[in-house]
Amino acid sequence: DAGVIQSPRHEVTEMGQEVTLRCKPISGHDYLFWYRQTMMRGLELLIYFNNNVPIDDSGMPEDRFSAKMPNASFSTLKIQPSEPRDSAVYFCASSPQPGRGTEAFFGQGTRLTVV
Amino acid sequence: AQKVTQAQTEISVVEKEDVTLDCVYETRDTTYYLFWYKQPPSGELVFLIRRNSFDEQNEISGRYSWNFQKSTSSFNFTITASQVVDSAVYFCALILYSSASKIIFGSGTRLSIRP
Repeated sequence: DAGVIQSPRHEVTEMGQEVTLRCKPISGHDYLFWYRQTMMRGLELLIYFNNNVPIDDSGMPEDRFSAKMPNASFSTLKIQPSEPRDSAVYFCASSPQPGRGTEAFFGQGTRLTVV
Repeated sequence: AQKVTQAQTEISVVEKEDVTLDCVYETRDTTYYLFWYKQPPSGELVFLIRRNSFDEQNEISGRYSWNFQKSTSSFNFTITASQVVDSAVYFCALILYSSASKIIFGSGTRLSIRP
């Protein structure tokens, strides 16, 4: 398996524009996580899915952020409208059974810059 | 509340020195899992080790060793004979069996190995 695949790797956009980040998890992994990493706040869990269903979105900063998982092999994180404070690295991760202690496998991240 | 604390923000040592990265966790749960991840300058998060709360046996893998002590709620990571390639940010993380798979990360320790 190629691992967790995220696209794009880098995104530069203007404030107010819509941004869509994409993730393809490892096949067979039932859990998918979206994290945001900044210098100030470290790694923050935004939302996670189990079997394509959102389980906990309490980390989503505000209504400008939304995430979907239409099928087991694809998820998106959308920011609309984007703001400069959304600049960060966004990671997607997948795991077979984290509640049983299996580790999460991370994608290479998307570095988002909002100017 | 559950929490992971990595008190050392940055460590810098000369190559070939031994270095220990501290991790202290807080939880009242009896079943949980602890992890270490490495984030090299390239940015991806790489899984290093997992320990469950019932297994206090220390582990050694080459130059890496981990010391898990429930009595002090610590899960420390030692690199012996450090090398420049060990330079990275290291994260300690916690998953509670009861928390439906949320991964709680510490703030990370940035390790710099000087030649």
